[in-house]
Amino acid sequence: DAGVIQSPRHEVTEMGQEVTLRCKPISGHDYLFWYRQTMMRGLELLIYFNNNVPIDDSGMPEDRFSAKMPNASFSTLKIQPSEPRDSAVYFCASSQPGLNEKLFFGSGTQLSVL
Amino acid sequence: AQKITQTQPGMFVQEKEAVTLDCTYDTSDPSYGLFWYKQPSSGEMIFLIYQGSYDQQNATEGRYSLNFQKARKSANLVISASQLGDSAMYFCAMREGTGGGNKLTFGTGTQLKVEL
Repeated sequence: DAGVIQSPRHEVTEMGQEVTLRCKPISGHDYLFWYRQTMMRGLELLIYFNNNVPIDDSGMPEDRFSAKMPNASFSTLKIQPSEPRDSAVYFCASSQPGLNEKLFFGSGTQLSVL
Repeated sequence: AQKITQTQPGMFVQEKEAVTLDCTYDTSDPSYGLFWYKQPSSGEMIFLIYQGSYDQQNATEGRYSLNFQKARKSANLVISASQLGDSAMYFCAMREGTGGGNKLTFGTGTQLKVEL
């Protein structure tokens, strides 16, 4: 299996622009998570899905952030409009409870908003 | 209150020696899981080891072992025979309850540097 695939690896954009991050979870995994990593706040959970349905979005910082999972093999995290404080590494992860009890992480997207 | 506390921002260890990275947790849920992940400078998150709250024995995975002290709510990671490639950031994380698909809360991490 190819693992969790995220794109792009790096994104540089200007303040006010729309940013879309993409994720393909491991086939057969029912859960998908979006995490954000910054020096100040560490790793924080933004939102997670179970069987394509958003379960908990309490970590989404504000209305500028939205996430979708239109099918079992694809999810997006969108920021519109982007701001410099959104600069971070965004990780997607997937899991199948009972299977080794762990999250499988993608390589992350390094986002820089200028 | 912090659910996961890692009090060592940075640690140094000499090659071939053992090192312990501290982690304490806070939960009132009787069912929980504790995880350790490694993040090298390349940025990926690598799963190392898992301990369930009902597991009777401490978890081990090769050179990694988890010193689980339930009454103290600690889950320290022990790396034996350190190697230069062990230099990385190490995160302790917790899953509370049995649902949530392994929704994890992470600590702030410990930066480990292995020296010759």
